[in-house]
Amino acid sequence: AQKVTQAQTEISVVEKEDVTLDCVYETRDTTYYLFWYKQPPSGELVFLIRRNSFDEQNEISGRYSWNFQKSTSSFNFTITASQVVDSAVYFCARLTGANNLFFGTGTRLTVIP
Amino acid sequence: EAGVAQSPRYKIIEKRQSVAFWCNPISGHATLYWYQQILGQGPKLLIQFQNNGVVDDSQLPKDRFSAERLKGVDSTLKIQPAKLEDSAVYLCASSLDSMLDEQYFGPGTRLTVT
Repeated sequence: AQKVTQAQTEISVVEKEDVTLDCVYETRDTTYYLFWYKQPPSGELVFLIRRNSFDEQNEISGRYSWNFQKSTSSFNFTITASQVVDSAVYFCARLTGANNLFFGTGTRLTVIP
Repeated sequence: EAGVAQSPRYKIIEKRQSVAFWCNPISGHATLYWYQQILGQGPKLLIQFQNNGVVDDSQLPKDRFSAERLKGVDSTLKIQPAKLEDSAVYLCASSLDSMLDEQYFGPGTRLTVT
């Protein structure tokens, strides 16, 4: 099955700690795209990043960084110096040529002040 | 820029009843999506429209669910008749053109079937 696995169901960290959210995917396709979305308590998912399978360069955006490793089929997300506003459910997702965005089950992050 | 609007925000119905959800996407966005998000799970795509045509409805339970996007703008999702397992949040999203584009999500409609 072509799955997206987010093994961490819930994570709690104290404010200013760094935290990494894991994402492992399965795919038979050579061309695919990976995404991260944030779902705050308000419920509206917010797009964070899109990555295609041919670009393994890591990306940094402010306190957010992403590590894409095709060799281990992982696309992990790190928040540096976490803040209370980072508390949310984070979803990793995969898009294949079938035009279906398949989400993982999410990781609930709680940042404790 | 106004976001994706959905209504109602909450709905409680009894099983076997019918229900409809409405979505107004971001102006100019050609593609509209309906997702079902069951508690504790990630969103699952039900149907994708591009303008007023269906791109993908392979995961839509067509015996009870239907959706339309008249005039390529607003969309409605209907469930008839509802089952207990339909209890979920129904999310609408839109994007400029395709799934490669950033999707903008609405706040969702939380449906409880009793």
